[in-house]
Amino acid sequence: DARVTQTPRHKVTEMGQEVTMRCQPILGHNTVFWYRQTMMQGLELLAYFRNRAPLDDSGMPKDRFSAEMPDATLATLKIQPSEPRDSAVYFCASGWPVGYNEQFFGPGTRLTVL
Amino acid sequence: AQSVAQPEDQVNVAEGNPLTVKCTYSVSGNPYLFWYVQYPNRGLQFLLKYITGDNLVKGSYGFEAEFNKSQTSFHLKKPSALVSDSALYFCAVRGNTGGFKTIFGAGTRLFVKA
Repeated sequence: DARVTQTPRHKVTEMGQEVTMRCQPILGHNTVFWYRQTMMQGLELLAYFRNRAPLDDSGMPKDRFSAEMPDATLATLKIQPSEPRDSAVYFCASGWPVGYNEQFFGPGTRLTVL
Repeated sequence: AQSVAQPEDQVNVAEGNPLTVKCTYSVSGNPYLFWYVQYPNRGLQFLLKYITGDNLVKGSYGFEAEFNKSQTSFHLKKPSALVSDSALYFCAVRGNTGGFKTIFGAGTRLFVKA
């Protein structure tokens, strides 16, 4: 049963610390998405990649957030420095490259910045 | 620009009754439309999609959705609700003119009462 995996599942950190979240997409998927979910803003698209290249990261605060795909089996989302307003659940999703295909979501990383 | 609206924050229905969760969209060109469900502390799960063809689409767990082009709607339906259907439901839309960006609605919380 192929699944998107995310680590860590929970992260509590103090303001100013660096946070790195990792995602392993489903083998064979070459489109990867990062979302952030909060009660106030709902589900927001932060960035997405195709074949490891960033296609759109306009939803991401550039001054502190960065997203990369070092290889086809790993996507990372980094926040440096973290702030309390970054507290949210961060989801990674993957899919096949054709646009009408659905996305497969990971279980999320719940981030709390104190 | 693409957009999707879920006009109801919450829908309450009694077990055994039919349910409808509403969704309207705006997109350039022909739309690709999706419904996802999110259970507590989980990632989103794909339910069904409309790409082309028959306006009535059947999906997982007995759900179906009706595409109405003239009303730009894609309402989710189920003939007989179960308590286990209680969850957060997201409608999503993607245009077919390049890119892979999918826009998600704000979500509708469904409560099914026994």
